[in-house]
Amino acid sequence: QKEVEQNSGPLSVPEGAIASLNCTYSDRGSQSFFWYRQYSGKSPELIMSIYSNGDKEDGRFTAQLNKASQYVSLLIRDSQPSDSATYLCAVNNFNKFYFGSGTKLNVKP
Amino acid sequence: GAVVSQHPSWVICKSGTSVKIECRSLDFQATTMFWYRQFPKQSLMLMATSNEGSKATYEQGVEKDKFLINHASLTLSTLTVTSAHPEDSSFYICSAREVGYTFGSGTRLTVV
Repeated sequence: QKEVEQNSGPLSVPEGAIASLNCTYSDRGSQSFFWYRQYSGKSPELIMSIYSNGDKEDGRFTAQLNKASQYVSLLIRDSQPSDSATYLCAVNNFNKFYFGSGTKLNVKP
Repeated sequence: GAVVSQHPSWVICKSGTSVKIECRSLDFQATTMFWYRQFPKQSLMLMATSNEGSKATYEQGVEKDKFLINHASLTLSTLTVTSAHPEDSSFYICSAREVGYTFGSGTRLTVV
């Protein structure tokens, strides 16, 4: 069983819509959770981190964490074509990072 | 903000040669650096964790004699791929814990 699971996509949404990206993890002891955006051929860029249950908002991005369900999500409001990228979910457990395989998001103009 | 600078951004080398990749922390001290490898269309896989002044800790399946990691100062960690082979061609990325686990810009290694 993979440590972190993501749907590979692609997820296609029209410009201006809400994109919803999901991630599940297997280790209940995981302590912190991260979302990264990665453009093709580039290094991942940290979007958000979340450490406790509930929602965390930053601009157009909202991360949601549900530790009981071992579920993390990322909502992107007012999606823009520039948001088209692969989104990686990462889970940190005692300073070891485990990454999902990423969800490819396409935002259509 | 704090930045991790990685060089070179890309390198092509002949099979059997060694390649050194540098990761520098700019305007902060990095006590812990993480080295990752990413094959095309796959996710990042942690290779090793390096702590300043001590030996690196390698993940299972990563050959420590092939991937030499040196973290001799608080601002520089290096990864040397020794006797590189085509299967080592990958995207290598470093990360520093002190900056919220942000990543260096990555190094695309192609072994021909």
